[in-house]
Amino acid sequence: AQSVTQLDSQVPVFEEAPVELRCNYSSSVSVYLFWYVQYPNQGLQLLLKYLSGSTLVKGINGFEAEFNKSQTSFHLRKPSVHISDTAEYFCAVSGRGGGSYIPTFGRGTSLIVHP
Amino acid sequence: DVKVTQSSRYLVKRTGEKVFLECVQDMDHENMFWYRQDPGLGLRLIYFSYDVKMKEKGDIPEGYSVSREKKERFSLILESASTNQTSMYLCASSLAGSSGNTIYFGEGSWLTVV
Repeated sequence: AQSVTQLDSQVPVFEEAPVELRCNYSSSVSVYLFWYVQYPNQGLQLLLKYLSGSTLVKGINGFEAEFNKSQTSFHLRKPSVHISDTAEYFCAVSGRGGGSYIPTFGRGTSLIVHP
Repeated sequence: DVKVTQSSRYLVKRTGEKVFLECVQDMDHENMFWYRQDPGLGLRLIYFSYDVKMKEKGDIPEGYSVSREKKERFSLILESASTNQTSMYLCASSLAGSSGNTIYFGEGSWLTVV
């Protein structure tokens, strides 16, 4: 079984400030980890994912995330946000092999960027 | 670019009506999904299909059924719509072979049941 906890339902921030969106997961097997973004009135699109290798993963629009196996976390960061980053962000986890090919999504974090 | 197309963006239906939500993907993906998205609850999987005519129940299949007669098309059916099925429905697809493959989403269908 696997689960994802996004620790903040809403994160307000001023434009050009740094931001971190937190994600913790649990799984009985090794995992793949994902962050998806949903802009208003749209579907989700992939921001970045961790499959293997370097624990620091860079994605689109200047976002990056770090896989921390000991803390079972995959926090998303951006050093300077823009108004256009206002969106819903979803963390997801899927087990590597062993049966389930279906990722589990967190409940989402709403990033609100103020001018 | 991968495209997942949901035929209806906004629907209003009456309680008890049979509702069809259609989804087509153009990338020859084996896997297709239907999710329901509600505020504060995130995405919940309704049904999953890994091949034509194959389906598996997700976390909340009650009140829904699905059909996959062709590889590119995955339909969600509400046999008798109820007001608690008012929600945003997201269709998605992915390649088979690895749970690390990216899932591609459609733009969503907003369903209101009155």
